[in-house]
Amino acid sequence: ELKVEQNPLFLSMQEEKNYTIYCNYSTTSDRLYWYRQDPGKSLESLFVLLSNGAVKQEGRLMASLDTKARLSTLHITAAVHDLSATYFCAVANFGNEKLTFGTGTRLTIIP
Amino acid sequence: NAGVMQNPRHLVRRRGQEARLRCSPMKGHSHVYWYRQLPEEGLKFMVYLQKENIIDESGMPKERFSAEFPKEGPSILRIQQVVRGDSAAYFCASSPGGDWGYGYTFGSGTRLTVV
Repeated sequence: ELKVEQNPLFLSMQEEKNYTIYCNYSTTSDRLYWYRQDPGKSLESLFVLLSNGAVKQEGRLMASLDTKARLSTLHITAAVHDLSATYFCAVANFGNEKLTFGTGTRLTIIP
Repeated sequence: NAGVMQNPRHLVRRRGQEARLRCSPMKGHSHVYWYRQLPEEGLKFMVYLQKENIIDESGMPKERFSAEFPKEGPSILRIQQVVRGDSAAYFCASSPGGDWGYGYTFGSGTRLTVV
């Protein structure tokens, strides 16, 4: 059974600091997704990573994938308050369309 | 492009009543997925449907829960005889199938409260 773990579960950061969220998964996977969720809202797609070594960046967020280590990271650079949200990674395999989600990381940016 | 439409946004049911949750996928998307999110937890897969077919229902509870995606109209997640433990946010997602570059698009969810 595919398991996905994120850490940390909770993260309080000061503005302008850098930090990384980690996503480990238990079995070989073809696709990894990062989503953002604001309280009471739906999930917003951030990144889709499809191959080993893939790196994608959008603004202050950068995601990478190491399929050999079964690890993805979401790096936040110079955090700002509007990045406060819960971030989920999710994993799937070709031929199996269901996503298995991590537990989420609740990020709070402190002014 | 209206995105994935779910209704109602909020639904309150008394124990023992039925809950019907609706999901209209994005235009051009033929694959629909339902997920459940309990408070303070991640999303858990429930069921994957294509038009008139259930492809994977491995995450659906064996009793009281059913899902359909008819040839015409929205996908429906039906919960019979609701209990307090069914209180959760239910999200629907859609995809065009076979195109992994863009992932899935999620709807705004239906927040079910059982009283």
